[in-house]
Amino acid sequence: SQTIHQWPATLVQPVGSPLSLECTVEGTSNPNLYWYRQAAGRGLQLLFYSVGIGQISSEVPQNLSASRPQDRQFILSSKKLLLSDSGFYLCAWMGLRDTQYFGPGTRLTVL
Amino acid sequence: GEDVEQSLFLSVREGDSSVINCTYTDSSSTYLYWYKQEPGAGLQLLTYIFSNMDMKQDQRLTVLLNKKDKHLSLRIADTQTGDSAIYFCAEKANGGATNKLIFGTGTLLAVQP
Repeated sequence: SQTIHQWPATLVQPVGSPLSLECTVEGTSNPNLYWYRQAAGRGLQLLFYSVGIGQISSEVPQNLSASRPQDRQFILSSKKLLLSDSGFYLCAWMGLRDTQYFGPGTRLTVL
Repeated sequence: GEDVEQSLFLSVREGDSSVINCTYTDSSSTYLYWYKQEPGAGLQLLTYIFSNMDMKQDQRLTVLLNKKDKHLSLRIADTQTGDSAIYFCAEKANGGATNKLIFGTGTLLAVQP
């Protein structure tokens, strides 16, 4: 069966510090992968998605970037965090019937 | 552009039925989905419905699809306190031409004991 992992689970970072969030998927090959941010107040914002190794589509211009160095690994990064980067970051993969399956999320607080 | 709308909040008593509503804009959507998010957790797929269906039932969950009005609803029978969560509906963006889903803003379901 497929599982999706995210780490860390929680993170508190100062403004201006770098960021690296990791997402890995097990039990499937060449999945479409997605990064979302959920700000307080619940709406989901699609940040990036990838259909294969090295391929990244950016949805929203911002100071974040994504990379896919391996088939089942998706990384979200920033060189310098802003206060507005705080939120709940969710990774997802796409399965049958275009259904997206989500990881447990990373709670990021930028102080 | 594409948009998926939901009411923000619903309060019900334990044992009653809950009905969460959603309207979408893309009439060519192939699948529509319902997700549940408990506090501090990721989204969990509850159910989905194919666009050529009007209804789908899965235990306590009933999904109704009105394609004419672009209206989707999720009915939870015998609502329990464990059903308290945020519920999201979603449709495939661009009628399936892309790999993206469009999510509603979520409905917070509060179940009173």
